[in-house]
Amino acid sequence: DAKTTQPTSMDCAEGRAANLPCNHSTISGNEYVYWYRQIHSQGPQYIIHGLKNNETNEMASLIITEDRKSSTLILPHATLRDTAVYYCIVQSRGGSYIPTFGRGTSLIVHP
Amino acid sequence: DTEVTQTPKHLVMGMTNKKSLKCEQHMGHRAMYWYKQKAKKPPELMFVYSYEKLSINESVPSRFSPECPNSSLLNLHLHALQPEDSALYLCASSHNNEKLLFGSGTQLSVL
Repeated sequence: DAKTTQPTSMDCAEGRAANLPCNHSTISGNEYVYWYRQIHSQGPQYIIHGLKNNETNEMASLIITEDRKSSTLILPHATLRDTAVYYCIVQSRGGSYIPTFGRGTSLIVHP
Repeated sequence: DTEVTQTPKHLVMGMTNKKSLKCEQHMGHRAMYWYKQKAKKPPELMFVYSYEKLSINESVPSRFSPECPNSSLLNLHLHALQPEDSALYLCASSHNNEKLLFGSGTQLSVL
């Protein structure tokens, strides 16, 4: 599976949009981009995923570049409860797929 | 039932003890995972079960022994652990290699 690169940390003011980038330049055609977040000492929580089209759900939006080499997770109106570590994972759905987490981005939302 | 349930939430054990961690899901997911997470690090994959058969073992020491007695249950048997094995142990499940659904984890301390 392709590797991902994310900034170590970011911060955002409450009520503003949080834009979290992820580079996945070696992504292959059948690999999806998944985002999870982990609030301190809890299990990671699924947020959103996409293949090549932009996606939106009740939690966030996912923007994938046309060449699919990078993506951005957008939290449109960040709240203090969005403070967490955000992980971007590239995964295929077939065969012996190994879901591997990188270091992720620690997002701090401040008042 | 749309959750992955892990028990116990906390466990303290000595290096000569034998203990087991339990993970349960009733969503019909046929893939189940064990991850280990040290403080301030990303989750590291340990084992993957697919259709109740061990499909991936990420070179985990034999003092960790997984077991999948049926499609809803995943155990992790622990024996002769070391203090450095103290960590958060996370269980996850997925349907057709899609999004991972995590339990809240077992915080293990080895004395």
